[in-house]
Amino acid sequence: EVQLVESGGGLVQPGGSLRLSCGASGFTFSIYPMHWVRQAPGKGLEYVSAITSDGGSTYYANSVKGRFTISRDNSKNTLFLQMGSLGAEDMAVYYCARVYHYAYEYWGQGTLVTVSS
Amino acid sequence: QSALTQPPSASGSPGQSVTISCTGTSSDVGGYNYVSWYQQHPGKAPKLMIYEVSKRPSGVPDRFSGSKSGNTASLTVSGLQAEDEADYYCVSYADNNILRVFGGGTKLTVL
Repeated sequence: EVQLVESGGGLVQPGGSLRLSCGASGFTFSIYPMHWVRQAPGKGLEYVSAITSDGGSTYYANSVKGRFTISRDNSKNTLFLQMGSLGAEDMAVYYCARVYHYAYEYWGQGTLVTVSS
Repeated sequence: QSALTQPPSASGSPGQSVTISCTGTSSDVGGYNYVSWYQQHPGKAPKLMIYEVSKRPSGVPDRFSGSKSGNTASLTVSGLQAEDEADYYCVSYADNNILRVFGGGTKLTVL
């Protein structure tokens, strides 16, 4: 069974940093591109970042470019999102998703990031 | 403001059909057959319903169908059921360095 489990969310002060993790199991992690998608409270889904299967290429939404870094450790079946200079606009549930045929085939349950002083 | 335009709401009675549109540009929806649709119930993670414009993943009822014409993709839900009441989002591949664009979501109400 494919499972994606996000962790690392929590309360952070404005301007602070946080690193999210997404542990994968039930499939060969190293052959799939992975993305992060977020959803602010009461709002729609928003693309955040993407990484190729080998980690060689990364992509970011304009809203997070220069502040967030996506990475992966294929030996540990784990996806990461390093987030910095966090602001109220970054407060959201963050989902990791496995990509197949250009679609988000599987999603994690999400981890909540709260930005507040 | 989302890159793809969806109507904020749609509705239909049980048994009826409803179609949700998703309008982009030639750089995303119109240029590629990589539009996908997601269903999201409150408090839950999204679920893939349609990929590559019109393909259904295993387990998704055939009441759900997708299509595309020009820069607009559509999701049709036929034979509406109470459990179809949810938010629906379209997503498209985009040929820029960002890679994906999302619609703002449509809240489907089953009357």
